[in-house]
Amino acid sequence: DTAVSQTPKYLVTQMGNDKSIKCEQNLGHDTMYWYKQDSKKFLKIMFSYNNKELIINETVPNRFSPKSPDKAHLNLHINSLELGDSAVYFCASSQVRSLGQFFGPGTRLTVL
Amino acid sequence: AQKVTQAQTEISVVEKEDVTLDCVYETRDTTYYLFWYKQPPSGELVFLIRRNSFDEQNEISGRYSWNFQKSTSSFNFTITASQVVDSAVYFCALSDYSGNTGKLIFGQGTTLQVKP
Repeated sequence: DTAVSQTPKYLVTQMGNDKSIKCEQNLGHDTMYWYKQDSKKFLKIMFSYNNKELIINETVPNRFSPKSPDKAHLNLHINSLELGDSAVYFCASSQVRSLGQFFGPGTRLTVL
Repeated sequence: AQKVTQAQTEISVVEKEDVTLDCVYETRDTTYYLFWYKQPPSGELVFLIRRNSFDEQNEISGRYSWNFQKSTSSFNFTITASQVVDSAVYFCALSDYSGNTGKLIFGQGTTLQVKP
């Protein structure tokens, strides 16, 4: 059983399009996160939800909007995609904050 | 401000050599957690270890060992008798404990290449 899953694994799209990435965890965790890994492999937090409540919103453009329908799911919607949005996006979850996170396999987004 | 520095961008060794990956961190918290993650060429992030600030005991797991020294704010990772399968990017990370967000602050990563 996959602990943290993301779909799709690869996403290739044109500039200006809107796209979504879905994340689900079956670990019973109550906190979920989105991280972005850029082309230099640098990992940075974007958002975090705890029990469907937004607790972290780093300096991310408004074009990015997370949505958590329940505590097992955290989706990421991106409007008006730009070339600079090309990256690998990782979803993660944790049971107790600060004790570390389990990561999904990542979604490689390529904007042409 | 919280910060993690991995000064070694890339390391290349020959199989069976020992290699140490350095990690230096900055935080004002007295309680905090440190982590190491491995990212193999397949791209997933694999959890290796968590260490809390009150436990300075070194840890050994097979060929892997970790040296935590609060006095120098370092949490170094040593692979003994490296193997080709150890080739990966390794990340050191610090958790945001006082902010209670759980977010991880990552270092820049060290790419380890183990040649046969």
